[in-house]
Amino acid sequence: AQSVAQPEDQVNVAEGNPLTVKCTYSVSGNPYLFWYVQYPNRGLQFLLKYITGDNLVKGSYGFEAEFNKSQTSFHLKKPSALVSDSALYFCAVRGDNYGQNFVFGPGTRLSVLP
Amino acid sequence: EPEVTQTPSHQVTQMGQEVILRCVPISNHLYFYWYRQILGQKVEFLVSFYNNEISEKSEIFDDQFSVERPDGSNFTLKIRSTKLEDSAMYFCASSEEREVWETQYFGPGTRLLVL
Repeated sequence: AQSVAQPEDQVNVAEGNPLTVKCTYSVSGNPYLFWYVQYPNRGLQFLLKYITGDNLVKGSYGFEAEFNKSQTSFHLKKPSALVSDSALYFCAVRGDNYGQNFVFGPGTRLSVLP
Repeated sequence: EPEVTQTPSHQVTQMGQEVILRCVPISNHLYFYWYRQILGQKVEFLVSFYNNEISEKSEIFDDQFSVERPDGSNFTLKIRSTKLEDSAMYFCASSEEREVWETQYFGPGTRLLVL
């Protein structure tokens, strides 16, 4: 079965500092990994995804994520956090053998403090 | 930029009543999905839909749920006889293709409260 873990419920970081939101996954076959962000009263907005190729994926709003196959991780990163990055972040996975449905992680709430 | 839209944003209903949640997917997308998020819990897949048929559904999507594309733009989720545990945020999503690497674009959600 597919699963996604986001080990931190909450991440606090000071504005201007680098941020990392962690994600680990379990899937058989090739993983297809996604990050979504949810702002208050908004839907899930797509940030970036890993399909194949370069392990470092760049996405919207200056975010990037690094795929690490040996550690089965796909951590989200940003070199310099903004207060406006404060939101709920979801990691999601789909696998070759599991059809169209995403499996989402529980979400990590990021708070960027001014 | 095209967006998925959903109506209503909030719905309050009595247990046992039928509700219909509406979605307008992105216009050139062919694959449509419903997900739900019970408060404080994970986003969970309910159903996917293509070419006027359900292509996949989860075990959550039981006989009280149905989906329909009644016209060329709307995609609806019907809950026939709501239960208290159906209270959740319901998200519609759409994608252009069905490959596993395809991005799904989500609407803002409908918050359903069953009393």
